[in-house]
Amino acid sequence: DVKVTQSSRYLVKRTGEKVFLECVQDMDHENMFWYRQDPGLGLRLIYFSYDVKMKEKGDIPEGYSVSREKKERFSLILESASTNQTSMYLCASGQGTGETQYFGPGTRLLVL
Amino acid sequence: GNSVTQMEGPVTLSEEAFLTINCTYTATGYPSLFWYVQYPGEGLQLLLKATKADDKGSNKGFEATYRKETTSFHLEKGSVQVSDSAVYFCALIGISSGSARQLTFGSGTQLTVLP
Repeated sequence: DVKVTQSSRYLVKRTGEKVFLECVQDMDHENMFWYRQDPGLGLRLIYFSYDVKMKEKGDIPEGYSVSREKKERFSLILESASTNQTSMYLCASGQGTGETQYFGPGTRLLVL
Repeated sequence: GNSVTQMEGPVTLSEEAFLTINCTYTATGYPSLFWYVQYPGEGLQLLLKATKADDKGSNKGFEATYRKETTSFHLEKGSVQVSDSAVYFCALIGISSGSARQLTFGSGTQLTVLP
């Protein structure tokens, strides 16, 4: 089975803190994704990566950055957390184009 | 751009009732279509998918048929169970080079099944 793990299930941070969310996949997938999930808005793509050291902006990249130094690991960085970044963050991985994405359990982030 | 519109929730049904969750999409050409399910406190799991027109995806008693003529991918189940209570997301992956790796999601439909 494909396994996508995220470093934390719950996080509480203060406004202005730098926040790191980490995601690891064990299936050698080339593509990795970060989404945020908000009630009534579904999932929105923040960033994705289709190769090591490559990244592409999604629909809502503002206030976020990413890092992919190794194929299995994709990090989401909030340089200076703000209250409007309180959300559920979901990582996913997949292979090729048009193929199924596999999701991690999510990290619920609260920014105070 | 690509978009997915799905039935507003929440939906509440009694056990053994018939379920339909409507999903329509806008995309160029023939996207791949998916239904994902999210159980309470968990990430999303793939429920079923279809990659070309008239394909029927099925899993765990759920079915959805890729209808190109109506740009729809409605989710159905003949007899729901309490354990089906979850949020259901319709999604697509477009075929254009920029979007071929990106899922576009609907807003999700919360289903509650009562015993």
